[in-house]
Amino acid sequence: KAGVTQTPRYLIKTRGQQVTLSCSPISGHRSVSWYQQTPGQGLQFLFEYFSETQRNKGNFPGRFSGRQFSNSRSEMNVSTLELGDSALYLCASSLPGGGYEQYFGPGTRLTVT
Amino acid sequence: DAKTTQPPSMDCAEGRAANLPCNHSTISGNEYVYWYRQIHSQGPQYIIHGLKNNETNEMASLIITEDRKSSTLILPHATLRDTAVYYCIANAGGTSYGKLTFGQGTILTVHP
Repeated sequence: KAGVTQTPRYLIKTRGQQVTLSCSPISGHRSVSWYQQTPGQGLQFLFEYFSETQRNKGNFPGRFSGRQFSNSRSEMNVSTLELGDSALYLCASSLPGGGYEQYFGPGTRLTVT
Repeated sequence: DAKTTQPPSMDCAEGRAANLPCNHSTISGNEYVYWYRQIHSQGPQYIIHGLKNNETNEMASLIITEDRKSSTLILPHATLRDTAVYYCIANAGGTSYGKLTFGQGTILTVHP
């Protein structure tokens, strides 16, 4: 069974721009969670989607948003990029019910200059 | 999620058992103990989880104390590829709606 895939793997953007990251979950997994990982803050939960609905949200500004499509694929968007948004963005998928075993993708490394 | 406390780093010789402790003294009755690890530059990898009984799978064993205030992850025969950051997480399973709260974890270094 194919794992979680994330595209692109690496991205360089300029302050003020916006970015969209994509995540394809494991087949049959309907819950998708997103995390941000930085050296200073570690791994932090952004939000979770299930059946195209956001069920949970972490403590991030409204510039961070996401969505989920009917095939469970998910995207996250960051608008008006700031230098501090440079991070590894990870998505994870799990079976319905969420919160159990999560399977992580390799991440998208975003650099904001 | 209950707060977990782990030692910042541990060393282990290759072939020996690695015992990684975790304190979760404020864990509530519906919270499971999960262990994940993250090898450098990769996404975290699920290892094992348990509620109150000891658990074993092909990767590791999880020993949870009777009062559930602490647990130990055991890698029975550590290899160099087990060098990673290990995270212990207390999580309420299905009611947490996808949120795992990662702490700083334990950096395990396996030496030849």
